[in-house]
Amino acid sequence: DAKTTQPPSMDCAEGRAANLPCNHSTISGNEYVYWYRQIHSQGPQYIIHGLKNNETNEMASLIITEDRKSSTLILPHATLRDTAVYYCIVSPGNTGKLIFGQGTTLQVKP
Amino acid sequence: ETGVTQSPTHLIKTRGQQVTLRCSSQSGHNTVSWYQQALGQGPQFIFQYYREEENGRGNFPPRFSGLQFPNYSSELNVNALELDDSALYLCASSLDSSGVPGYTQYFGPGTRLTVL
Repeated sequence: DAKTTQPPSMDCAEGRAANLPCNHSTISGNEYVYWYRQIHSQGPQYIIHGLKNNETNEMASLIITEDRKSSTLILPHATLRDTAVYYCIVSPGNTGKLIFGQGTTLQVKP
Repeated sequence: ETGVTQSPTHLIKTRGQQVTLRCSSQSGHNTVSWYQQALGQGPQFIFQYYREEENGRGNFPPRFSGLQFPNYSSELNVNALELDDSALYLCASSLDSSGVPGYTQYFGPGTRLTVL
């Protein structure tokens, strides 16, 4: 079973920041937080991952709470092309086994 | 794009048949994982291959098998197809060796298998 809890759906206005929450209260010390997204009928796309510190790349920012029990993925300026299912996954990142939950369906609206 | 390719894009088979799906990893990647995604569900881990050896398996029966070749391309074979095998099959490749923490997997576009 997935070790994360995400809201099933969220809406965001185009051009605004999208903040996607994820709870992972049972995360272990060696587990990373990964975010992937899946646009309809395509393969999942890697977005970002982190262990303890906040991370930022060209796609998004990842904010991890100090106790590591939750995190937030931030898309700073959402576009219509960001409409997708977003998966938050915790994994030690040293095996191939990613356990996907149901994810959050983000709908970006004009 | 990730550089991971899969073939064929779509496939229709009948119950009881056998199928082979193919994956070409991103250049230099030595690890490949396979996932099954049923409609409306998240991907489920089938198994991983690292340097041509199986290196971890999910809760799938032995009729799901795989191969990884010296050039790191990979195959997923499914025998005795069942209706529930209808799904999107995804492969994901990664650069770092198995056991190195925090590595990233890059997914291909998938093969849509329909079993009638």
